[in-house]
Amino acid sequence: DQQVKQNSPSLSVQEGRISILNCDYTNSMFDYFLWYKKYPAEGPTFLISISSIKDKNEDGRFTVFLNKSAKHLSLHIVPSQPGDSAVYFCAASEINTDKLIFGTGTRLQVFP
Amino acid sequence: KAGVTQTPRYLIKTRGQQVTLSCSPISGHRSVSWYQQTPGQGLQFLFEYFSETQRNKGNFPGRFSGRQFSNSRSEMNVSTLELGDSALYLCASSWGVNDGMDYGYTFGSGTRLTVV
Repeated sequence: DQQVKQNSPSLSVQEGRISILNCDYTNSMFDYFLWYKKYPAEGPTFLISISSIKDKNEDGRFTVFLNKSAKHLSLHIVPSQPGDSAVYFCAASEINTDKLIFGTGTRLQVFP
Repeated sequence: KAGVTQTPRYLIKTRGQQVTLSCSPISGHRSVSWYQQTPGQGLQFLFEYFSETQRNKGNFPGRFSGRQFSNSRSEMNVSTLELGDSALYLCASSWGVNDGMDYGYTFGSGTRLTVV
């Protein structure tokens, strides 16, 4: 049973525009959500996280939104840059555990 | 500061053999987690160690085991290798409970295991 789902395997966005990556989850016990970026042959790199007590968190060009009632989170990248092209994973964790449940990833391509 | 170091980077093993992978966390980090990444399943949690104790375990068979040493370095062992064990094995480290959530775990570059 996939507790964290990224239903879009790929996304293509023009440079300078907004990229919106989506993630849905089923486990209401998740209390922390994270986004990671991954290049081939490298480990995932942490981007941004959000606690379940918040609905928005910003860090530079990256903003994560959490809608607990819909069990949905999204990552907004504004403006998108070619260097953002990578696979993006969302992940979730239950309270007081260090176990991350990952989605299957969305491949983002930013073209000039 | 040095990042998370995983050795070896690449490994080819024969079905039925066993393998040991190593992970050195960031200095001061006491939590080490292991993940398996495959094209079909994405990243799946194997287990997590904190201060030499396994705190969390994923849904993998007993052929997958791990341990953590007093210096927080961790090893993962897979016995009786199967073709389906071919994957990228990633470890991640953090200070401990919830600290990893605020700042995100730091991942190593992984060990690419190929079973033939």
